[in-house]
Amino acid sequence: QKEVEQNSGPLSVPEGAIASLNCTYSDRGSQSFFWYRQYSGKSPELIMFIYSNGDKEDGRFTAQLNKASQYVSLLIRDSQPSDSATYLCAVNTNTNAGKSTFGDGTTLTVKP
Amino acid sequence: GAVVSQHPSWVICKSGTSVKIECRSLDFQATTMFWYRQFPKQSLMLMATSNEGSKATYEQGVEKDKFLINHASLTLSTLTVTSAHPEDSSFYICSAKVAGAYEQYFGPGTRLTVT
Repeated sequence: QKEVEQNSGPLSVPEGAIASLNCTYSDRGSQSFFWYRQYSGKSPELIMFIYSNGDKEDGRFTAQLNKASQYVSLLIRDSQPSDSATYLCAVNTNTNAGKSTFGDGTTLTVKP
Repeated sequence: GAVVSQHPSWVICKSGTSVKIECRSLDFQATTMFWYRQFPKQSLMLMATSNEGSKATYEQGVEKDKFLINHASLTLSTLTVTSAHPEDSSFYICSAKVAGAYEQYFGPGTRLTVT
């Protein structure tokens, strides 16, 4: 079992719809959770992070964390074609060390 | 804020030569920097963790004598690929974080091609 698992996709949604991206992790001691967006040929860009159970909203993005079920998700509301990218989930087991374990990413395509 | 730069953005070198890649945090002091490698259509692979003023910690399977990492200051880390071979051709990305912060910020990456 991989430490951080994501559906590889591709996930395709129409413009304006809600895109839901999911991530599960195996280490119950994980402390902080991150979502990155990576456009083809570019480096990852931090979208948001979460460390407490529940929801965290930032603009069109909402991260949801459920430590009991060991999953974290990212919702993108009013999806735009510019949101088409690979989304990487990352998990830290030791926030001070800062070392993240990344999932393989989910490719999202938003169709106009 | 939280800008990380890398230089060069791309480099082509001949097999057997060495290449140095610089990673700088432009507007913050990075106590920790990470070096990743990414092959096409694959996920990020952490190569090493670098803390300012101390030796880098390499991930299992990464040759520390081949990938030399130096973190001489709170704003600069370098990765030197020694005796590069075509199989070292990849996208090398650094990231940086501040002590106690949750997040790390990525540089734009360096595309290395070894001919």
